[in-house]
Amino acid sequence: DAGVIQSPRHEVTEMGQEVTLRCKPISGHDYLFWYRQTMMRGLELLIYFNNNVPIDDSGMPEDRFSAKMPNASFSTLKIQPSEPRDSAVYFCASTLRGTADTQYFGPGTRLTVL
Amino acid sequence: GQSLEQPSEVTAVEGAIVQINCTYQTSGFYGLSWYQQHDGGAPTFLSYNALDGLEETGRFSSFLSRSDSYGYLLLQELQMKDSASYFCAVGRADKLIFGTGTRLQVFP
Repeated sequence: DAGVIQSPRHEVTEMGQEVTLRCKPISGHDYLFWYRQTMMRGLELLIYFNNNVPIDDSGMPEDRFSAKMPNASFSTLKIQPSEPRDSAVYFCASTLRGTADTQYFGPGTRLTVL
Repeated sequence: GQSLEQPSEVTAVEGAIVQINCTYQTSGFYGLSWYQQHDGGAPTFLSYNALDGLEETGRFSSFLSRSDSYGYLLLQELQMKDSASYFCAVGRADKLIFGTGTRLQVFP
């Protein structure tokens, strides 16, 4: 298996623009997680899905952030409009079962909002 | 609330043994995990303690004591490639809550 796939790997955009991050989880994994990592706040869970259904979005910063999982092999995280404080590395992770199982992280998307 | 505290930085020399501690204030969690992250890379799973005690995986061992709200990661025979950040995480309600991370620097 290729592991968790994320695209793009790097994104540079201007404030106010829409940003869409994409993730393909490992085939057969039931859980998908979106994280944000910054020096100041560390690794934060934004939202996670179980069987394509959003379970907990309490970590989503504000209404500018939205996430979808239309099928078992694809998820998106959208920021609209983007702001400089959204600059971070965004990771997607998947796991077969719940937290007792290993989470497999994608390579991340480094987002820079100018 | 839920919080996990780790030392921000640890330094050691090649061949040495280093222990990275993790103290937590949370309850009802499934277990304690450890992840490694190299600069510019993604977190990767190292170990998991479902029960109290020591788990050994090669040069790495992890320990959990629920009564003391404490765990640690032990790295033996340190190598330069072990220079990375290490995160403890507790599992709760299908999600992981990560600690603040410890940056380990290994010197020759």
